[in-house]
Amino acid sequence: GENVEQHPSTLSVQEGDSAVIKCTYSDSASNYFPWYKQELGKRPQLIIDIRSNVGEKKDQRIAVTLNKTAKHFSLHITETQPEDSAVYFCAARGGSYIPTFGRGTSLIVHP
Amino acid sequence: SQTIHQWPATLVQPVGSPLSLECTVEGTSNPNLYWYRQAAGRGLQLLFYSVGIGQISSEVPQNLSASRPQDRQFILSSKKLLLSDSGFYLCASSGTDFNEQYFGPGTRLTVT
Repeated sequence: GENVEQHPSTLSVQEGDSAVIKCTYSDSASNYFPWYKQELGKRPQLIIDIRSNVGEKKDQRIAVTLNKTAKHFSLHITETQPEDSAVYFCAARGGSYIPTFGRGTSLIVHP
Repeated sequence: SQTIHQWPATLVQPVGSPLSLECTVEGTSNPNLYWYRQAAGRGLQLLFYSVGIGQISSEVPQNLSASRPQDRQFILSSKKLLLSDSGFYLCASSGTDFNEQYFGPGTRLTVT
C-alpha cells in the first residue's frame, strides 16, 4: 500500500518568513495530493490540492509543487502570519483509492 | 456545498460502556464516508470507510464497528469501550472518486 512520509514534524518561523513542508510517497500510481490545515481543537480543512497532471498550483500565499519522478510534493507558504500556525497534513491517493495521510507538521509562526 | 454533522461534540464514558456516534451529510448524494480517530497530538488513523449503504470496509482491527443504514448516515459503535478508545473522532465525506475529503466538526471522546 501507499506510504507517506512528512517532514519536518515541527517548523518554527518568524512572521513574514516562508515555510516549506515536504512529503514523499511510495505508490507510483498516486495521482491526487491534498493538503489539510488543522487548527487546535478543530477539524482538518482542505486548503489546496494538486493532481498528477500538473507540477505546481498556487492560491494566494499558498503553493504546492509535485515531482512525480522523485515521488515528492511540497507545501509552500509565503509571508507567514500568526494565523497560519496550525498542524498541516499532506496526503496521497494511490491505487487503493483511499488517501494515506502523513503524520503532520506543527507550524508555529512567531509574531 | 456539503455540510457534515456529528454528534455529540464531546462525550465522557466509563470503561466497558457502549458507544454510538452519528454522522450525517447534507448537500450531496451517494458520498463515500469515512471514520477517522485522532489521538492527542497525533495523526489521522482511518478506522472505516463506506462506498454505499450497507458497505463497510474496516482498516484497523479493534472493538469498534460501523454501519451505514442510509445513504448520508454513518454510525460508529462499540459494545464495550476501552481506555485506548479515547480520542477525537472525525467523520469525513468525499465524492465517488475518493478525492477532496471534507471533515465534520468531530466528537471528542474521553473514556475514564
